Amino acid sequence: KAGVTQTPRYLIKTRGQQVTLSCSPISGHRSVSWYQQTPGQGLQFLFEYFSETQRNKGNFPGRFSGRQFSNSRSEMNVSTLELGDSALYLCASSLGPGQGSNYGYTFGSGTRLTVV
Amino acid sequence: GEDVEQSLFLSVREGDSSVINCTYTDSSSTYLYWYKQEPGAGLQLLTYIFSNMDMKQDQRLTVLLNKKDKHLSLRIADTQTGDSAIYFCAESFNAGNNRKLIWGLGTSLAVNP
Repeated sequence: KAGVTQTPRYLIKTRGQQVTLSCSPISGHRSVSWYQQTPGQGLQFLFEYFSETQRNKGNFPGRFSGRQFSNSRSEMNVSTLELGDSALYLCASSLGPGQGSNYGYTFGSGTRLTVV
Repeated sequence: GEDVEQSLFLSVREGDSSVINCTYTDSSSTYLYWYKQEPGAGLQLLTYIFSNMDMKQDQRLTVLLNKKDKHLSLRIADTQTGDSAIYFCAESFNAGNNRKLIWGLGTSLAVNP
């Protein structure tokens, strides 16, 4: 079955602009999580969506937002881009967020965002 | 707060065993995971272990969990150049009705021919 698809793969934006990234999970997976990956900070959790509802949120400013559609596809949006937002943004899908579950996450290849 | 720590670099010779170590702080973790990230790619789940287990073996991979010391290790037998990648340790624990994952910074494994 198809893996997690993230689009676009690469993006260059200027400071102050906004950007929307897309993630299509594995068919049947209803949970989508977003991470920011930078060399210095590692993987930082942004948020997790399940059944179109945000279930978990990391410690990022309100400029970072997301949503999930009825087909489980998810988008994340970053407004008023800053240089420090340059990172690899990874999406991961899972069967569900279930408490105590062993549901592993399947990651997409990421979107490399460069803010200039 | 919750934290997961890993050494940043490991270098081994092809054919040797690699051991990547990880320590975590939250004693209520339910599952612990090892992920692999190759250059330009996302993270790939290698294996996971439930917190009430001590060991799990899967082909060339052996996971050891010392719950008392909160120490997790991943041993790769007969390491190959294709194993060169960054390896992430993550712990999962329940936070209210949700599951929370905490990630290490990753260990960069270099395999020398």
